[in-house]
Formats: sequence, C-alpha cells, structure tokens
Amino acid sequence: QKEVEQNSGPLSVPEGAIASLNCTYSDRGSQSFFWYRQYSGKSPELIMFIYSNGDKEDGRFTAQLNKASQYVSLLIRDSQPSDSATYLCAVTYQGGSEKLVFGKGTKLTVNP
Amino acid sequence: GAGVSQTPSNKVTEKGKYVELRCDPISGHTALYWYRQSLGQGPEFLIYFQGTGAADDSGLPNDRFFAVRPEGSVSTLKIQRTERGDSAVYLCASSLDGTGEQYFGPGTRLTVT
Repeated sequence: QKEVEQNSGPLSVPEGAIASLNCTYSDRGSQSFFWYRQYSGKSPELIMFIYSNGDKEDGRFTAQLNKASQYVSLLIRDSQPSDSATYLCAVTYQGGSEKLVFGKGTKLTVNP
Repeated sequence: GAGVSQTPSNKVTEKGKYVELRCDPISGHTALYWYRQSLGQGPEFLIYFQGTGAADDSGLPNDRFFAVRPEGSVSTLKIQRTERGDSAVYLCASSLDGTGEQYFGPGTRLTVT
C-alpha cells in the first residue's frame, strides 16, 4: 500500500511568517511530487511540482525534495491571509500510470 | 485558455438511480483522470485514460462504476444503482501526455439520498 502522510494541522502562522508544510511517502519508487492548494469548497489547484532532489523556487513558494529520507516539503515565505487553505501533497510512482496518490492535506491558517 | 470543465456542478439523486458525470479536458491533453474526494480526505484515484482507452482502472471501487472516453476528449463517468456511500465530490483532471502535471476541473458534488 503506497501511502502519503501529512500532518493534518491545523497549522497557524502570523502574516508575513514562513509556513512550512511537510509530507512523507512510503515507496522509494516514487517519481514525481506535487503540491496542490485547495480552498474550502473548491477543487485542487497545482502550485508546485518537483522531480529531482533539492530545492525548487517559484515566487514565494519553495519545494524541497529529499528522496533518501522520503520527504518533500513546501515553504511559503511572507505568508498572506489569502494563503489560508488546505495543502495537498501528491506523489506518482514508477509504473503507476502517473496516477496521483494524495495525502489527506494540511490545513493552513494565516492570521492577519 | 479554457481549463477542465465538469458538468453538472451538483447532482442529487436517489439511492438506486443511475447517474452520469461529464468531464471536458483541456484542449490537446491526451491524458484524463477521474478521482473522488470525501470530506477531510485527499482525492482518491478512480481511472486513467490515455486517448480513448482506459490505461488504468484499478481505482474503480466495484462494477457499478464505469467510464468512457469514446473520442479521446470528453469523458463520462457512469454510476449504476447508486448508494449513499457514493456521495462525494468527483474530480476530473487532465495532463498533456500522461507524464506530467495534472490540472483539475471544478468537480461534481454527488449526493445520494
């Protein structure tokens, strides 16, 4: 059973702070890693993807991948109240038809 | 350009009835996926199409669920003899060629009474 684990939260940070979201996965055959943002009542929105070990930055977002430790993280710098949402980590597996296996998500609240 | 679209946005049906949910992927995307999401959970994979064929249907929970994509574009998810446990948000996603990022539609909220 391939699993993706996330702390369900809620994670609460003040406006302007760095929010750190973590995700671990069970299968070393994992290939690709995605972070989706989901506002309440809406569908998941892709915000970051990472395929290789290391860091990948896009604006205020940084994804970090460590395949040896089987974890992937998302850092949000200068957090804004509009970042308040549930963040879903998703993983694809080699030979797994590129289907996404999701964690349950971490609920982030950014307090003004 | 236009994103993934899904219809209807909401569907209420009675237990035992048949429903069809439609997905129109991003133009030019050959890969199409169906997921369903229950409250407080991440989306759960149902089926993956590459072109017209179902490349992976391992997530379909039982034989009441069926999906088609006859012309390699629009897909329909069909649920027979609906049960209350089928109530969820059904999400459709597409990707360019099945090897990269997936983009989700707005979902169909199915309620079985």
